[in-house]
Amino acid sequence: KQEVTQIPAALSVPEGENLVLNCSFTDSAIYNLQWFRQDPGKGLTSLLLIQSSQREQTSGRLNASLDKSSGRSTLYIAASQPGDSATYLCAPDNTDKLIFGTGTRLQVFP
Amino acid sequence: ETGVTQSPTHLIKTRGQQVTLRCSSQSGHNTVSWYQQALGQGPQFIFQYYREEENGRGNFPPRFSGLQFPNYSSELNVNALELDDSALYLCASSLAGLGYGYTFGSGTRLTVV
Repeated sequence: KQEVTQIPAALSVPEGENLVLNCSFTDSAIYNLQWFRQDPGKGLTSLLLIQSSQREQTSGRLNASLDKSSGRSTLYIAASQPGDSATYLCAPDNTDKLIFGTGTRLQVFP
Repeated sequence: ETGVTQSPTHLIKTRGQQVTLRCSSQSGHNTVSWYQQALGQGPQFIFQYYREEENGRGNFPPRFSGLQFPNYSSELNVNALELDDSALYLCASSLAGLGYGYTFGSGTRLTVV
């Protein structure tokens, strides 16, 4: 049974900092892994999708890495901004469903 | 291309009642999945539909049921509502096959009183 853990659970930083959000999962037999952003009370916005054969993906200030064998993924956010404040969720996909942890709640203050 | 749309956005029901939530998938997607997200938790997989058939189910009782229509839109039905069913219900569409990601809708906030 896939289990996902995200560390830290919450993070509060001044703007401009480079951030590291960690995700670990117990079953390495995944098709891919997706990172999402969720604003309070809203749906999920996909940030990055990493295929199981890939090591990393980049989009703007975001970079996600994947080490499938060790069951870890990391989301790097460069030069954080107040608009980055949200909950970040990672979700490995195996057997055609996403399994979520409880996320990292990020607050970036001016 | 249109994204995933869900209706209604908010709903209040009384315990014991039945509810139907609706989802239109993103253009070109043929698979729809439903998730339940309780306050402060990550989304939990309810079930997935592909070619109008249930294609995988999470740990939810039979009073949670669904449908997928020929145009790939979907409904989630919940019978005999309980207070613990209060949650944000999320619909996600994807294209069947390995390596494709999921696109989520904005969700339906269900409150059971």
